[in-house]
Amino acid sequence: DVKVTQSSRYLVKRTGEKVFLECVQDMDHENMFWYRQDPGLGLRLIYFSYDVKMKEKGDIPEGYSVSREKKERFSLILESASTNQTSMYLCASSPPPQGTRYEQYFGPGTRLTVT
Amino acid sequence: DAKTTQPNSMESNEEEPVHLPCNHSTISGTDYIHWYRQLPSQGPEYVIHGLTSNVNNRMASLAIAEDRKSSTLILHRATLRDAAVYYCILRDSGAGSYQLTFGKGTKLSVIP
Repeated sequence: DVKVTQSSRYLVKRTGEKVFLECVQDMDHENMFWYRQDPGLGLRLIYFSYDVKMKEKGDIPEGYSVSREKKERFSLILESASTNQTSMYLCASSPPPQGTRYEQYFGPGTRLTVT
Repeated sequence: DAKTTQPNSMESNEEEPVHLPCNHSTISGTDYIHWYRQLPSQGPEYVIHGLTSNVNNRMASLAIAEDRKSSTLILHRATLRDAAVYYCILRDSGAGSYQLTFGKGTKLSVIP
């Protein structure tokens, strides 16, 4: 089974702190994604990566950066955390489409609270 | 990505069939219809996908309208474990994009 793991299920940080959210997948997938999920807004894409050292902005990249030094690991960085970044953060990975099927595999999420 | 419209919430009795609708009137010829679901305290997971023909798998069935402007996810016998948010997503297979745009989905409650 594909496994996507995230470094923490719950995290509490203070305003202004630098925050690292780590995501690791074990299926050698090329693509990795970071989303945030807020009540009433659904999942929104922050950043994604097609390959090592490659990154692309998603719909809401402001206030975030990412790092992908190894294929299996994709990190989301909050340079200076703010209270409006309190959210559930979800990481996903995917292979290229398998015929017509395209599947993203998600981790369990990290609930980040910034106080 | 083309837009989808789903009801915010639905209820079903346990062991009865559930039909979850999705409207996608601006769907293009290369858009595949994907359904994901998100169980409580978990990330989303793939359920099923289709292009034009109806599809079945072990989790659900997907019925696609002839004009492709709407589709319905069918759970044949709802169980308590099916209580989740269900997302209907269009993916353009011709664009070479690997992004999925999740809307707000339909929150399904299953009543014992």
